[in-house]
Amino acid sequence: DGGITQSPKYLFRKEGQNVTLSCEQNLNHDAMYWYRQDPGQGLRLIYYSQIVNDFQKGDIAEGYSVSREKKESFPLTVTSAQKNPTAFYLCASSIVGGNQPQHFGDGTRLSIL
Amino acid sequence: GNSVTQMEGPVTLSEEAFLTINCTYTATGYPSLFWYVQYPGEGLQLLLKATKADDKGSNKGFEATYRKETTSFHLEKGSVQVSDSAVYFCALSLNTGGFKTIFGAGTRLFVKA
Repeated sequence: DGGITQSPKYLFRKEGQNVTLSCEQNLNHDAMYWYRQDPGQGLRLIYYSQIVNDFQKGDIAEGYSVSREKKESFPLTVTSAQKNPTAFYLCASSIVGGNQPQHFGDGTRLSIL
Repeated sequence: GNSVTQMEGPVTLSEEAFLTINCTYTATGYPSLFWYVQYPGEGLQLLLKATKADDKGSNKGFEATYRKETTSFHLEKGSVQVSDSAVYFCALSLNTGGFKTIFGAGTRLFVKA
């Protein structure tokens, strides 16, 4: 079955540490996205990419970095510069176009040790 | 700017009750509109969508009609079940500006047996 796989499901970060969240899709979608979800809140866009080797900052990119070296993969690094990283992180993908729905992974919950 | 406003939750209903979750939007241009559902510990799933004015999206007993004159896309279901308990997100997507999707804050629904 086609879909999006995020790993790990739970992740713990120590102070001063960078951590990388994995996102892989086999839907052959060109566009991929990273969102942050805080309790009781909606989704906020961190980064998005519409084509390999290109990506754009979203609304809350500070303290995060991404790469898009392969169509299937869009890893997110939460750097030590992100002072409040505890959240639920969701990866999504879609066909490029404004009327196309996004397909989501099951998320990674990141906590600080 | 572009935005989505949903009614605040939580909404608590008894099984077989009628459900309405209000959603209004502000957008430049002609957005596509979506409802997504999120079950505990999971990512979002597309519930239904509408791409132009007066379109009705429907799925699993849920319906929403794209009302351009009132800039609304209210979600309705005639008879809810316990299994409908989840968080519901209204969203819009434009055909410009990187095709980003803007999500509402979400409305949590509890259905009691």
